[in-house]
Amino acid sequence: EVQLVESGGGLVQPGGSLRLSCAASGFTFSDFWMSWVRQTPGKGLEWVANIKQDGSEKLYVDSVKGRFTISRDNTKNSLYLQMNSLRAEDTALYYCAREWDFDFWGQGALVTVSS
Amino acid sequence: DVVMTQSPLSLPVTLGQPASISCRSSQSLVHSDGNTYLNWFHQRPGQSPRRLIYKVSNRDSGVPDRFSGSGSGTDFTLKISRVEAEDVGVYYCFQGTHWVWTFGQGTKVEIK
Repeated sequence: EVQLVESGGGLVQPGGSLRLSCAASGFTFSDFWMSWVRQTPGKGLEWVANIKQDGSEKLYVDSVKGRFTISRDNTKNSLYLQMNSLRAEDTALYYCAREWDFDFWGQGALVTVSS
Repeated sequence: DVVMTQSPLSLPVTLGQPASISCRSSQSLVHSDGNTYLNWFHQRPGQSPRRLIYKVSNRDSGVPDRFSGSGSGTDFTLKISRVEAEDVGVYYCFQGTHWVWTFGQGTKVEIK
């Protein structure tokens, strides 16, 4: 059974940093693109970033470029999202998803950016 | 960015009756490789989204056959042949043809 479990969410002040992790199991992690997608009540679902199987290709939505970094460790079956210079508008539930078109999703990690 | 417009935004349905959701894109979703990367997702209250349909009309494993996807170019439809109680929630279309990939705003399905 495919499982994706996010962790690392929390409350952070504007300008601060946070690192999300996603532990994957039930499939050969290194065979798949992985993604981060976020959800807010106001903007709905928004694709954030993707990373290729070997980490050689990374794609970001414009609003997070230069601030967020997606990475993976295939030896640990783990996906990461390093979020720097956080803004109030980054407040969202962040989902880890398998594949570039999201065939499986985790339960989400809540990130709140507020002073 | 490609804008995905769903209608209606709210859909009250009767159990056992059919339901239909429309999704229109601001550009054709036919990719240069010949595929059309249009997916449908379902999110039940308090749960994560689940992919139902990929590439317009392909049902994911375990998705009941009462769900069907159709369409081409810029116009797409998700149909539920007979609505069941577990079908409530929000349905989203998604395009993966043109970067930046984008979602529709969602259609909330509820039982009358």
